[in-house]
Amino acid sequence: NAGVMQNPRHLVRRRGQEARLRCSPMKGHSHVYWYRQLPEEGLKFMVYLQKENIIDESGMPKERFSAEFPKEGPSILRIQQVVRGDSAAYFCASSPNYGEMGTQYFGPGTRLTVL
Amino acid sequence: GENVEQHPSTLSVQEGDSAVIKCTYSDSASNYFPWYKQELGKGPQLIIDIRSNVGEKKDQRIAVTLNKTAKHFSLHITETQPEDSAVYFCAASPFGSSNTGKLIFGQGTTLQVKP
Repeated sequence: NAGVMQNPRHLVRRRGQEARLRCSPMKGHSHVYWYRQLPEEGLKFMVYLQKENIIDESGMPKERFSAEFPKEGPSILRIQQVVRGDSAAYFCASSPNYGEMGTQYFGPGTRLTVL
Repeated sequence: GENVEQHPSTLSVQEGDSAVIKCTYSDSASNYFPWYKQELGKGPQLIIDIRSNVGEKKDQRIAVTLNKTAKHFSLHITETQPEDSAVYFCAASPFGSSNTGKLIFGQGTTLQVKP
């Protein structure tokens, strides 16, 4: 049973470009969470999605960041007009259950570097 | 807002000794407390979790204790081995009105087990 998959594993962008990060949840999981980890810090919640719905985006910056989880295909975290401060590791986690009852399993992450 | 404090930030032990990591949380309604192990360049791996209806849980060399009155929980690793060396994160899931299951992470503890 494949785990959570993320791609690309490493992404380099120049300031002003767009970054697209993909996450495929574990088979049977319909809940996806995105977290950001700055160097030598803990993970910070960004957004929680179910298929075709954003449930909680309280941790998402108001500008330049967006997320989706379409009916078919992976969840996408999009960062427009990237800046150096966006350099971080972005992790997604999937869960089979709703809310605090759902154990979250993490992917290997995408490490974004903005030049 | 919701906050999780984790101590110590670094911990060095001799192989075979025990290691204890402690976390406190601010949201008294939090109900779910997982612990993750993160190795260099990898995503967080769930190692043990506890829910608020339980005071202690054990899995081989790993145990977690929860004190809801004091709002703190701890990870205990016995008979440490060099492969236990990693960064460990605690997390809490605030209950709140939305109850979306987002995790609030501690800052992490770098555990080094010396052979």
